[in-house]
Amino acid sequence: DVKVTQSSRYLVKRTGEKVFLECVQDMDHENMFWYRQDPGLGLRLIYFSYDVKMKEKGDIPEGYSVSREKKERFSLILESASTNQTSMYLCASSLFPDSNYEQYFGPGTRLTVT
Amino acid sequence: SQKIEQNSEALNIQEGKTATLTCNYTNYSPAYLQWYRQDPGRGPVFLLLIRENEKEKRKERLKVTFDTTLKQSLFHITASQPADSATYLCASSGNTPLVFGKGTRLSVIA
Repeated sequence: DVKVTQSSRYLVKRTGEKVFLECVQDMDHENMFWYRQDPGLGLRLIYFSYDVKMKEKGDIPEGYSVSREKKERFSLILESASTNQTSMYLCASSLFPDSNYEQYFGPGTRLTVT
Repeated sequence: SQKIEQNSEALNIQEGKTATLTCNYTNYSPAYLQWYRQDPGRGPVFLLLIRENEKEKRKERLKVTFDTTLKQSLFHITASQPADSATYLCASSGNTPLVFGKGTRLSVIA
């Protein structure tokens, strides 16, 4: 059974802080993804990665960066948190680069920036 | 640009009835469509995948259709139960990675 875990379920940070969101998957999946989800806007892709040390911008990468030093771990970094980054953040993984494979999601991190 | 739309933001139905959710796509032809279920405060969970050459796919009380002429997928839950209440997302693979719709919130009323 694939498991995707995220470091925190809830997080409260102050404006300007550097924030790290960690995601770990245990099934040796090639691909990992970071989304944010906001009411009325749905799931929006921030960054994704097809391999260790590789990253690709999604639809809304501004204000974020990512790191993938190991295959199982994909980190999302908010360099200087702002209130408009308050959101639910979801990490996902899938077996192969082909998007025909289903994605497995973590439980989400609800981030509040004050 | 590629667009995938779920026309209904919310749908209420009576327990025991069949729920039908709609997903439409424009400006591209995805080879696959996927459906996910999401409960409040949780990540989406994969339910079904249907290929463009498959007209219909079933899994227990779930049925998905793919109509390439209408550019539409329908997601049916038969004999619906209050436990089926959730948000359902469709996603397409017209491009890599997946493009998700905004979801339809289904409420099954006892």
